[in-house]
Amino acid sequence: AQRVTQPEKLLSVFKGAPVELKCNYSYSGSPELFWYVQYSRQRLQLLLRHISRESIKGFTADLNKGETSFHLKKPFAQEEDSAMYYCALITTSGSRLTFGEGTQLTVNP
Amino acid sequence: NAGVTQTPKFRVLKTGQSMTLLCAQDMNHEYMYWYRQDPGMGLRLIHYSVGEGTTAKGEVPDGYNVSRLKKQNFLLGLESAAPSQTSVYFCASRSRDRGDTGELFFGEGSRLTVL
Repeated sequence: AQRVTQPEKLLSVFKGAPVELKCNYSYSGSPELFWYVQYSRQRLQLLLRHISRESIKGFTADLNKGETSFHLKKPFAQEEDSAMYYCALITTSGSRLTFGEGTQLTVNP
Repeated sequence: NAGVTQTPKFRVLKTGQSMTLLCAQDMNHEYMYWYRQDPGMGLRLIHYSVGEGTTAKGEVPDGYNVSRLKKQNFLLGLESAAPSQTSVYFCASRSRDRGDTGELFFGEGSRLTVL
């Protein structure tokens, strides 16, 4: 069975500092990985997916199959980045999306 | 363009009461999901459906039942509510079309408190 682990429940950085939200997964096949974000009082929304290899709001994430990781990074955090971030995995043959525990990011002024 | 709509948004129940959460989507998605969100535990899948008339258990199905009588609706029922079911419930849907990227579209959530 697939599993997603986000080791940090809370992460606090200052504005302008780099930020990295960790995500590790376990799955025997070839997964597709995602990052979802939930801003205060808003619904969960997709931030980025590994197959797109895109940068959204300055965030990037690289899938490292050797380390089974999909860490989310941003070189200069902004206050508006404060939110709950979820890493998620979907199997290529499945219909279920498995989420990690979530990391609450706070960017202080 | 409503997307995914959940009702009710808030509800307080007494232990042993029953209730149904309704999820409706207007995107003609095949897949629909019910998750619960609890502090420190992330989003956990309760039940899901891959099409009209089909349902399947997720990670934490006990105490819940679901039905998908119409493609656009996915109902989550609590037959006898327990305090452990106090949570925020999210419905989500996604497409099964070719080229599907796996993106889930979420509702705003339903906050349920069981006393």
